[in-house]
Order: sequence, then C-alpha cells, then structure tokens
Amino acid sequence: GQNIDQPTEMTATEGAIVQINCTYQTSGFNGLFWYQQHAGEAPTFLSYNVLDGLEEKGRFSSFLSRSKGYSYLLLKELQMKDSASYLCALRPSGTYKYIFGTGTRLKVLA
Amino acid sequence: DTAVSQTPKYLVTQMGNDKSIKCEQNLGHDTMYWYKQDSKKFLKIMFSYNNKELIINETVPNRFSPKSPDKAHLNLHINSLELGDSAVYFCASSRGPTGEKLFFGSGTQLSVL
Repeated sequence: GQNIDQPTEMTATEGAIVQINCTYQTSGFNGLFWYQQHAGEAPTFLSYNVLDGLEEKGRFSSFLSRSKGYSYLLLKELQMKDSASYLCALRPSGTYKYIFGTGTRLKVLA
Repeated sequence: DTAVSQTPKYLVTQMGNDKSIKCEQNLGHDTMYWYKQDSKKFLKIMFSYNNKELIINETVPNRFSPKSPDKAHLNLHINSLELGDSAVYFCASSRGPTGEKLFFGSGTQLSVL
C-alpha cells in the first residue's frame, strides 16, 4: 500500500520546539513534501526533501530517512500563527499521483 | 495577483442539482489537479491534467467530469449532486506532472442539502 501516517493532533506552547512525524510505506519516490494548512485556507508549500538528512529553512526544518521510512517537520520558536494542520506528501515512483498524509493539527498555546 | 483562483468559494445546493466549479492558474504551469478534502481534512486526488491531457482519473463516480479547455484552466462539473459530495474541493497546479510542489487555489466549500 501507499499509506502515509501522521499523528492526528499535537499541542505545544509558544516559544517551544515541536516535531511532527510522518511515516510511509512507499518503496520509491522522488522526494517528500511538507505543506501547512490554516483552518479554512488552502495548503501552502513548506519544504521538500530529496536526499536523506535535514533541510533547514528559518524556523522550520524537515528531515528525511528513506531507509527508515520516515520524515519529520521540526518547528522552532513556536508562534501562535503556527497553529495549523501540517501535511506530508509524496509522489510514488512510476505514478503521477501525489499522495497526502492524514495531516497533523497543531495547536500552539500561549 | 492570485496564482491559482477557483470560483465559487462557497456553493450551497440541493440534492440532484448539477453544478460546476471553475479553476484558472496564471503561473504558466503544465499540470492541474482537483483534490477533495473531506470532513476529516484528508486530501484525496480526483483528477489531473497535463497540457490538457487527462493523466490521473481516480476512482470517482462518473457524475464528476473534469474539463480542461486549455492548460491554464481546469473545471469540474458535477451531475446529480448527492449529500456525500459535500466537501471542500481544491484546484491545484504544478510546473510539471512529476516531483513538483503544488500551488493550491483557495478551495470551494460545497454543501449539498
């Protein structure tokens, strides 16, 4: 199968660090994407990992381990505006289909 | 300027009606998509066109028919609407059909009464 699993919900405090995990059962894909979706809005692109390792972009970093079949999104210095859903996605090799994970709803508390 | 725009934003209609959602992108992308996001916020691919050619046609009732008059437009027509069609429908585009990030429209919230 091509399931992509994420925790349903997470809660963290303003200023803290949070790690959102994504596990998948796809054998081959070009890269793994992370999107942010605020309530009532469209998903927007956050980051993309092709190679194993950490990609850093300001307060947000994303990590990929193909051998272990997982990725995570790391959010530092959390702000209230980071309260949103975070979706990981990938495109399995040999298909045009772009598959999304179940999404993690993050609540940032003051 | 809006990159991917879809209309209408909200659509409330009765069961059995036929409705259309329109999507346009001004990014010069070759590939466009329709996604359905259900009440649990799960995003599921429905259709994709690359340069006006249908490349993804998921297991979707044939009451749903996409149409791409040119590569900048992808419309979705739904016949005989059912209660279960209520969802948010997102149009998206990407530069090409493989390995590219998606740009989403603002979504159409469809409510079937």
